[in-house]
Amino acid sequence: EAGVAQSPRYKIIEKRQSVAFWCNPISGHATLYWYQQILGQGPKLLIQFQNNGVVDDSQLPKDRFSAERLKGVDSTLKIQPAKLEDSAVYLCASSSPHGTGGNPSHYEQYFGPGTRLTVT
Amino acid sequence: AQSVSQHNHHVILSEAASLELGCNYSYGGTVNLFWYVQYPGQHLQLLLKYFSGDPLVKGIKGFEAEFIKSKFSFNLRKPSVQWSDTAEYFCAVNALAKAAGNKLTFGGGTRVLVKP
Repeated sequence: EAGVAQSPRYKIIEKRQSVAFWCNPISGHATLYWYQQILGQGPKLLIQFQNNGVVDDSQLPKDRFSAERLKGVDSTLKIQPAKLEDSAVYLCASSSPHGTGGNPSHYEQYFGPGTRLTVT
Repeated sequence: AQSVSQHNHHVILSEAASLELGCNYSYGGTVNLFWYVQYPGQHLQLLLKYFSGDPLVKGIKGFEAEFIKSKFSFNLRKPSVQWSDTAEYFCAVNALAKAAGNKLTFGGGTRVLVKP
C-alpha cells in the first residue's frame, strides 16, 4: 500500500511570496489533515477534511493560509503572502475508519514525509 | 483546550540502558493517547496507542506505555534500548469531547540519542 505522498519536499521562498504544497493521501482514506511543525515543537493541526468538507480549521491563519480538497482526494495548502514565522515542516496525514468499529477517535493517522519550508 | 507536555527535550543514553519518557496532558475528560516516533529521515509513525481497558499498553519494538489517569500521564518505557531506537518521540492526545473530529494535540517531542 502506497503511503501519503507530499510535494515538494523542500521549498525556499522570500517573505511576501506565495507557496503551495500538495498532498495525496492513502487511497480510500476519507480524512485528510494538514499539520504545521515548527522546529523544536510538535505538529499542530491546521485543518482537517472529511472527504471534501472542512471538519476543523480553527487553527488555520485564514488571512494568509488556505486549503482545498475539491474532489475529496488530494489536497493543496497555500500560503499567501508568506511570513518569516511560517518557516516550518508542513505535514499531511490521512486516516480511514476501516477496522475501527466506526469510532473516529480510533482512526490511526498515517503521515507523509512533509514539506520543509524556509522563508527568508 | 487540551495540552500535552513532554518533560525532556533531549535524552542521551547507552545501549542496553532503560528508557522512560514522560508525558502529561491537561484535559479533564476522556482521552485517547498515542506515542509516535520519527526515525531520522523517516515519516512519523505510530508506536502505540491507548483507547480503553488495560492501562499498560504494549507497542512495537518492545515499547510500552502506562496510562495513569489520576496523574494525567502516559509515560513511555523500554527496558533495554538499542542504537536503532535513536529517534524523536512524540506524545499525542485526542480529547473525545469533539465527536466529529479526530484532532491530535502533540507534545513538543523528545529527541533520544542512543550511543553504541
